[in-house]
Amino acid sequence: QVTLRESGPALVKPTQTLTLTCTFSGFSLSTSGMCVSWIRQPPGKALEWLALIDWDDDKYYSTSLKTRLTISKDTSKNQVVLTMTNMDPVDTATYYCARIESVDYGFDYWGQGTLVTVSS
Amino acid sequence: SYELTQPPSVSVSPGQTARITCSGDALPKQYAYWYQQKPGQAPVLVIYKDSERPSGIPERFSGSSSGTTVTLTISGVQAEDEADYYCQSADSSGTYIFGGGTKLTVL
Repeated sequence: QVTLRESGPALVKPTQTLTLTCTFSGFSLSTSGMCVSWIRQPPGKALEWLALIDWDDDKYYSTSLKTRLTISKDTSKNQVVLTMTNMDPVDTATYYCARIESVDYGFDYWGQGTLVTVSS
Repeated sequence: SYELTQPPSVSVSPGQTARITCSGDALPKQYAYWYQQKPGQAPVLVIYKDSERPSGIPERFSGSSSGTTVTLTISGVQAEDEADYYCQSADSSGTYIFGGGTKLTVL
Protein backbone atom coordinates (compact mmCIF):
# COMPACT_ATOMS: atom_id res chain seq x y z
CA GLN A 1 0.00 0.00 0.00
CA VAL A 2 1.47 3.31 -1.13
CA THR A 3 1.15 6.23 1.23
CA LEU A 4 2.72 9.68 1.44
CA ARG A 5 2.51 12.10 4.31
CA GLU A 6 3.66 15.71 4.47
CA SER A 7 4.96 17.27 7.67
CA GLY A 8 6.29 20.65 8.64
CA PRO A 9 5.35 23.89 10.35
CA ALA A 10 1.83 25.21 9.98
CA LEU A 11 2.97 28.79 10.43
CA VAL A 12 6.10 30.56 9.27
CA LYS A 13 7.07 34.20 9.40
CA PRO A 14 7.91 36.29 6.32
CA THR A 15 11.56 35.95 5.23
CA GLN A 16 11.94 32.63 7.06
CA THR A 17 12.89 29.36 5.39
CA LEU A 18 10.27 26.63 5.14
CA THR A 19 11.31 23.00 5.46
CA LEU A 20 8.80 20.30 4.55
CA THR A 21 9.26 16.57 4.77
CA CYS A 22 7.45 13.94 2.74
CA THR A 23 7.56 10.53 4.39
CA PHE A 24 6.41 7.69 2.20
CA SER A 25 5.88 3.95 2.30
CA GLY A 26 4.97 1.19 -0.10
CA PHE A 27 7.68 2.00 -2.64
CA SER A 28 11.37 2.78 -2.86
CA LEU A 29 12.83 5.92 -4.34
CA SER A 30 15.83 3.86 -5.43
CA THR A 31 13.65 1.96 -7.93
CA SER A 32 14.34 2.94 -11.53
CA GLY A 33 11.75 5.42 -12.79
CA MET A 34 10.44 6.43 -9.39
CA CYS A 35 10.04 10.12 -8.62
CA VAL A 36 8.61 12.28 -5.83
CA SER A 37 7.38 15.79 -6.43
CA TRP A 38 6.10 18.76 -4.45
CA ILE A 39 3.02 20.63 -5.57
CA ARG A 40 1.21 23.46 -3.81
CA GLN A 41 -2.23 25.03 -3.90
CA PRO A 42 -3.04 28.47 -2.45
CA PRO A 43 -6.51 28.64 -0.87
CA GLY A 44 -9.14 28.67 -3.60
CA LYS A 45 -6.55 28.63 -6.38
CA ALA A 46 -5.00 26.20 -8.82
CA LEU A 47 -2.32 23.59 -8.34
CA GLU A 48 1.26 24.74 -8.89
CA TRP A 49 4.13 22.32 -9.49
CA LEU A 50 7.26 23.12 -7.47
CA ALA A 51 9.97 20.49 -7.72
CA LEU A 52 10.75 16.84 -8.45
CA ILE A 53 13.51 14.42 -7.53
CA ASP A 54 14.01 11.09 -9.23
CA TRP A 55 15.52 7.74 -8.37
CA ASP A 56 18.84 8.81 -9.87
CA ASP A 57 18.95 11.97 -7.71
CA ASP A 58 18.22 14.24 -10.66
CA LYS A 59 16.33 17.34 -9.57
CA TYR A 60 13.95 19.61 -11.43
CA TYR A 61 12.50 22.92 -10.30
CA SER A 62 9.78 25.35 -11.25
CA THR A 63 11.37 28.01 -13.42
CA SER A 64 9.74 30.82 -11.46
CA LEU A 65 10.77 29.49 -8.03
CA LYS A 66 14.04 27.67 -8.69
CA THR A 67 16.19 30.22 -6.89
CA ARG A 68 14.27 29.60 -3.65
CA LEU A 69 13.80 25.82 -3.75
CA THR A 70 15.94 22.86 -2.82
CA ILE A 71 14.73 19.27 -2.99
CA SER A 72 16.60 16.31 -1.55
CA LYS A 73 16.01 12.69 -0.61
CA ASP A 74 17.01 10.26 2.07
CA THR A 75 16.36 6.87 0.54
CA SER A 76 17.14 4.98 3.75
CA LYS A 77 14.47 6.95 5.62
CA ASN A 78 11.98 7.00 2.73
CA GLN A 79 11.85 10.78 2.90
CA VAL A 80 11.97 13.71 0.50
CA VAL A 81 12.65 17.18 1.86
CA LEU A 82 11.77 20.51 0.28
CA THR A 83 13.18 23.80 1.48
CA MET A 84 11.84 27.14 0.33
CA THR A 85 13.68 30.30 1.32
CA ASN A 86 12.47 33.83 1.89
CA MET A 87 8.85 32.94 2.55
CA ASP A 88 6.18 35.54 1.78
CA PRO A 89 2.45 35.68 2.54
CA VAL A 90 1.73 34.78 -1.10
CA ASP A 91 3.37 31.41 -0.38
CA THR A 92 0.47 30.54 1.93
CA ALA A 93 -0.83 27.28 0.50
CA THR A 94 -1.48 23.61 1.01
CA TYR A 95 1.70 21.78 0.07
CA TYR A 96 1.38 18.26 -1.35
CA CYS A 97 3.92 15.60 -2.14
CA ALA A 98 3.08 13.12 -4.86
CA ARG A 99 4.64 10.11 -6.54
CA ILE A 100 5.40 9.24 -10.14
CA GLU A 101 6.06 5.52 -10.57
CA SER A 102 7.53 5.83 -14.01
CA VAL A 103 7.86 8.38 -16.77
CA ASP A 104 4.53 9.02 -18.48
CA TYR A 105 2.40 7.60 -15.64
CA GLY A 106 1.40 10.80 -13.88
CA PHE A 107 1.17 11.65 -10.20
CA ASP A 108 -0.60 8.49 -9.12
CA TYR A 109 -0.41 8.83 -5.34
CA TRP A 110 -0.67 12.02 -3.29
CA GLY A 111 -0.32 12.91 0.35
CA GLN A 112 -3.19 14.63 2.10
CA GLY A 113 -1.35 17.94 2.05
CA THR A 114 -0.21 20.30 4.78
CA LEU A 115 -1.39 23.88 5.07
CA VAL A 116 1.38 26.40 5.54
CA THR A 117 0.45 29.95 6.50
CA VAL A 118 2.95 32.75 6.13
CA SER A 119 2.23 35.56 8.54
CA SER A 120 3.99 37.72 11.04
CA SER B 1 6.61 30.46 -20.49
CA TYR B 2 4.54 27.40 -21.24
CA GLU B 3 0.89 27.50 -20.18
CA LEU B 4 -2.09 25.17 -20.13
CA THR B 5 -5.46 26.87 -20.59
CA GLN B 6 -8.72 25.45 -19.26
CA PRO B 7 -12.22 26.96 -19.10
CA PRO B 8 -12.98 28.14 -15.55
CA SER B 9 -16.27 26.30 -15.38
CA VAL B 10 -18.43 23.72 -17.10
CA SER B 11 -22.01 22.87 -16.16
CA VAL B 12 -23.95 19.78 -17.11
CA SER B 13 -27.13 17.98 -16.05
CA PRO B 14 -26.96 14.48 -14.56
CA GLY B 15 -26.73 11.79 -17.21
CA GLN B 16 -25.36 14.15 -19.85
CA THR B 17 -21.81 14.32 -21.21
CA ALA B 18 -19.29 16.81 -19.86
CA ARG B 19 -16.29 17.85 -21.92
CA ILE B 20 -13.42 19.79 -20.40
CA THR B 21 -10.70 21.10 -22.67
CA CYS B 22 -7.08 21.98 -22.05
CA SER B 23 -4.94 23.84 -24.58
CA GLY B 24 -1.18 24.21 -24.76
CA ASP B 25 1.47 24.54 -27.44
CA ALA B 26 3.50 21.58 -26.22
CA LEU B 27 0.58 19.15 -26.05
CA PRO B 28 1.26 17.65 -29.50
CA LYS B 29 4.66 16.55 -28.16
CA GLN B 30 3.93 15.86 -24.48
CA TYR B 31 1.37 13.64 -22.79
CA ALA B 32 -1.48 15.15 -20.81
CA TYR B 33 -2.87 14.01 -17.49
CA TRP B 34 -6.12 14.81 -15.71
CA TYR B 35 -6.82 15.06 -12.00
CA GLN B 36 -10.09 15.30 -10.11
CA GLN B 37 -10.11 17.26 -6.86
CA LYS B 38 -13.05 17.43 -4.50
CA PRO B 39 -13.24 20.05 -1.73
CA GLY B 40 -10.79 19.43 1.07
CA GLN B 41 -9.22 16.44 -0.66
CA ALA B 42 -6.01 15.73 -2.51
CA PRO B 43 -6.20 15.41 -6.30
CA VAL B 44 -6.85 12.01 -7.86
CA LEU B 45 -5.38 10.93 -11.20
CA VAL B 46 -8.23 10.03 -13.59
CA ILE B 47 -6.44 9.99 -16.98
CA TYR B 48 -2.77 9.51 -17.88
CA LYS B 49 -0.90 9.51 -21.19
CA ASP B 50 -3.73 11.47 -22.85
CA SER B 51 -6.30 8.67 -22.78
CA GLU B 52 -5.34 5.89 -20.37
CA ARG B 53 -7.49 5.26 -17.33
CA PRO B 54 -5.92 4.13 -14.03
CA SER B 55 -7.39 1.12 -12.35
CA GLY B 56 -10.38 1.99 -10.22
CA ILE B 57 -11.43 4.98 -12.32
CA PRO B 58 -14.92 4.51 -13.80
CA GLU B 59 -15.21 3.88 -17.52
CA ARG B 60 -17.28 7.04 -17.96
CA PHE B 61 -14.01 9.00 -17.73
CA SER B 62 -12.10 9.18 -21.01
CA GLY B 63 -9.45 11.38 -22.58
CA SER B 64 -8.54 12.38 -26.09
CA SER B 65 -6.01 14.54 -27.87
CA SER B 66 -6.08 16.59 -31.03
CA GLY B 67 -3.29 18.95 -31.90
CA THR B 68 -2.76 21.51 -29.16
CA THR B 69 -5.94 20.55 -27.28
CA VAL B 70 -6.70 17.63 -25.01
CA THR B 71 -10.18 16.83 -23.75
CA LEU B 72 -11.50 15.07 -20.68
CA THR B 73 -14.91 13.56 -21.36
CA ILE B 74 -17.23 12.34 -18.63
CA SER B 75 -20.12 10.36 -20.06
CA GLY B 76 -23.31 9.94 -18.06
CA VAL B 77 -22.25 12.49 -15.46
CA GLN B 78 -23.21 11.70 -11.89
CA ALA B 79 -23.61 14.04 -8.95
CA GLU B 80 -20.44 12.61 -7.41
CA ASP B 81 -18.44 13.87 -10.41
CA GLU B 82 -18.89 17.47 -9.30
CA ALA B 83 -15.34 18.63 -8.61
CA ASP B 84 -12.44 20.68 -9.89
CA TYR B 85 -10.52 19.12 -12.76
CA TYR B 86 -6.91 19.95 -13.62
CA CYS B 87 -4.91 19.05 -16.68
CA GLN B 88 -1.16 18.61 -16.35
CA SER B 89 1.71 18.17 -18.73
CA ALA B 90 5.45 18.71 -18.93
CA ASP B 91 7.94 20.45 -21.14
CA SER B 92 11.05 19.05 -22.75
CA SER B 93 13.29 20.28 -19.92
CA GLY B 94 11.63 18.06 -17.34
CA THR B 95 9.49 20.65 -15.63
CA TYR B 96 5.81 20.11 -15.03
CA ILE B 97 2.82 22.38 -15.34
CA PHE B 98 -0.84 22.39 -14.34
CA GLY B 99 -3.73 24.12 -15.99
CA GLY B 100 -5.79 26.67 -14.11
CA GLY B 101 -8.51 24.15 -13.30
CA THR B 102 -12.13 23.75 -14.34
CA LYS B 103 -15.00 23.61 -11.89
CA LEU B 104 -17.53 21.03 -13.02
CA THR B 105 -21.02 21.74 -11.74
CA VAL B 106 -23.69 19.05 -11.96
CA LEU B 107 -26.99 20.90 -12.18
